[in-house]
Amino acid sequence: QKEVEQNSGPLSVPEGAIASLNCTYSDRVSQSFFWYRQYSGKSPELIMSIYSNGDKEDGRFTAQLNKASQYVSLLIRDSQPSDSATYLCAVINSGGSNYKLTFGKGTLLTVNP
Amino acid sequence: EAQVTQNPRYLITVTGKKLTVTCSQNMNHEYMSWYRQDPGLGLRQIYYSMNVEVTDKGDVPEGYKVSRKEKRNFPLILESPSPNQTSLYFCASTGAGTSHNEQFFGPGTRLTVL
Repeated sequence: QKEVEQNSGPLSVPEGAIASLNCTYSDRVSQSFFWYRQYSGKSPELIMSIYSNGDKEDGRFTAQLNKASQYVSLLIRDSQPSDSATYLCAVINSGGSNYKLTFGKGTLLTVNP
Repeated sequence: EAQVTQNPRYLITVTGKKLTVTCSQNMNHEYMSWYRQDPGLGLRQIYYSMNVEVTDKGDVPEGYKVSRKEKRNFPLILESPSPNQTSLYFCASTGAGTSHNEQFFGPGTRLTVL
């Protein structure tokens, strides 16, 4: 079973701080990695995708990928209360469908005003 | 507006009463998928479809059926629902025309089986 692991949290940070969310995956040849944000009772929303080792920045969000360590992270700078949500790490594994996502269980983030 | 729709959004039913949750997308996506989400277990794939008349089991298919007779529709069928199928269900779609295989999710269907 190919797995995606995340710290369940909850992670609590003050407003304006950097929130750091981590994810590891078991399939060494995974190629595509995604971070989704999910507000309570709502559907997941894609916020970042990354495919190459290194950093990818989009506004206040930075995704970091280290394939050698099988590790992907999401940094949220200048955290806002509206960032409070569950963050889901997802991976497209090798083999099978090019579209099949395997999700971690999510990390609950709370940003305190 | 590009979107994935699901109906109903909320459903309370009783054990054994057959039900169907509909899913429709207007983006001409080839790939559609059903997930269930349970506390502590995350999102788990039930079934997926690579195109019309092509479906396959995901990670938790027991107790569910699907069909893909048209590209835009992918209904989820519970022939004899049981209480352990009480969950939040999401339909998602993606295709060759999307950016980086981004999956678009429907708004969710909260199902309670008594």
